Amino acid sequence: RKEVEQDPGPFNVPEGATVAFNCTYSNSASQSFFWYRQDCRKEPKLLMSVYSSGNEDGRFTAQLNRASQYISLLIRDSKLSDSATYLCVVSSGGGADGLTFGKGTHLIIQP
Amino acid sequence: NAGVTQTPKFQVLKTGQSMTLQCAQDMNHEYMSWYRQDPGMGLRLIHYSVGAGITDQGEVPNGYNVSRSTTEDFPLRLLSAAPSQTSVYFCASTPPGQGPYEQYFGPGTRLTVT
Repeated sequence: RKEVEQDPGPFNVPEGATVAFNCTYSNSASQSFFWYRQDCRKEPKLLMSVYSSGNEDGRFTAQLNRASQYISLLIRDSKLSDSATYLCVVSSGGGADGLTFGKGTHLIIQP
Repeated sequence: NAGVTQTPKFQVLKTGQSMTLQCAQDMNHEYMSWYRQDPGMGLRLIHYSVGAGITDQGEVPNGYNVSRSTTEDFPLRLLSAAPSQTSVYFCASTPPGQGPYEQYFGPGTRLTVT
């Protein structure tokens, strides 16, 4: 089984701080990478795709390291509303059966 | 657009009962999927469909059936409920041309089997 590993946390971080967490994947043939956000008792929502060159969306930066087989998510100037579980998703191509979801990293932003 | 809708939101079944979880989307998405989410586990794919009349099995299909008679609807049927099927079930759809990547999830159905 293809594996996607995440530190489950929780990461307790003060408001305004910068926080980063990684996700490692076992399948070297993986092609596409994503971060989803899931609020408590809600559905997952796409946060951002992760490109080889890295990408940024406001306070969020995603990086891919193919050599070491991990992706990262950096959140700057964290807000209380960033409290959620962040799911790493890796695709090895094909259809939905090519997607592997990590178990998620739980982030708690404290006032 | 209502997006992806799921009914019911909550359901309690007795072992051996059958039921259908409903999923509908009004975005004209061809690609739809069913997942289950259990504590300490990632989302696991049950069944998926690339269009009306076409379905395929995912990672954990046993005990579930699906059909796709229209683009809009993708119901999931539990044949004979078992306690191991206690879970949160999410339906998802994907815009055309996006592959399975950008998934729009419904709000989920929380199922308990006693």
